Amino acid sequence: AQKITQTQPGMFVQEKEAVTLDCTYDTSDQSYGLFWYKQPSSGEMIFLIYQGSYDEQNATEGRYSLNFQKARKSANLVISASQLGDSAMYFCAMSHTSGTYKYIFGTGTRLKVLA
Amino acid sequence: EAQVTQNPRYLITVTGKKLTVTCSQNMNHEYMSWYRQDPGLGLRQIYYSMNVEVTDKGDVPEGYKVSRKEKRNFPLILESPSPNQTSLYFCASSSQTGANTEAFFGQGTRLTVV
Repeated sequence: AQKITQTQPGMFVQEKEAVTLDCTYDTSDQSYGLFWYKQPSSGEMIFLIYQGSYDEQNATEGRYSLNFQKARKSANLVISASQLGDSAMYFCAMSHTSGTYKYIFGTGTRLKVLA
Repeated sequence: EAQVTQNPRYLITVTGKKLTVTCSQNMNHEYMSWYRQDPGLGLRQIYYSMNVEVTDKGDVPEGYKVSRKEKRNFPLILESPSPNQTSLYFCASSSQTGANTEAFFGQGTRLTVV
């Protein structure tokens, strides 16, 4: 069965430091997508970054990068130069390939950035 | 502005009183879905729709109904709400299935059933 695991319920990071949020996944599909979403205290879901299973290079979007290790089935999110506004819940998600429309979400990691 | 709009944002209701949460998208997306978010469980899919008049169950469909009569709208219906349906609900849409499909989420609806 397909599954996303986020083992860090909560994390702290000092402002301006980098932080890595862990995500491991399980799937038998060859083609899949991995996503990270941010959920601030206001509740909305904000798309951050995407990595395709066939992409050879790690995805980057501004201060966000996705450390994709296919053999280990991990897709960790790295936030560089943390800001107070990065304090939020972060969800890792995986998409099915075709035939259905489904995302599988992890349980989330709550990040607190300290001044 | 491209967006997914849910209404209401907040709702408190009593057990057994039918309610509908509306969802509308203006991006002409074929695919729409409903999720519920509960502490410690992440988001779980309730129902999804791959096109008009095409809907299917997700992981937690019990107690919910949906319909897709128009491409832009995908309402979530709770015929007889119970307290265990107290949750944060999200509607999402996407232009296509496939591995590289970003989902666009609505603002969320926080439902409390007493």
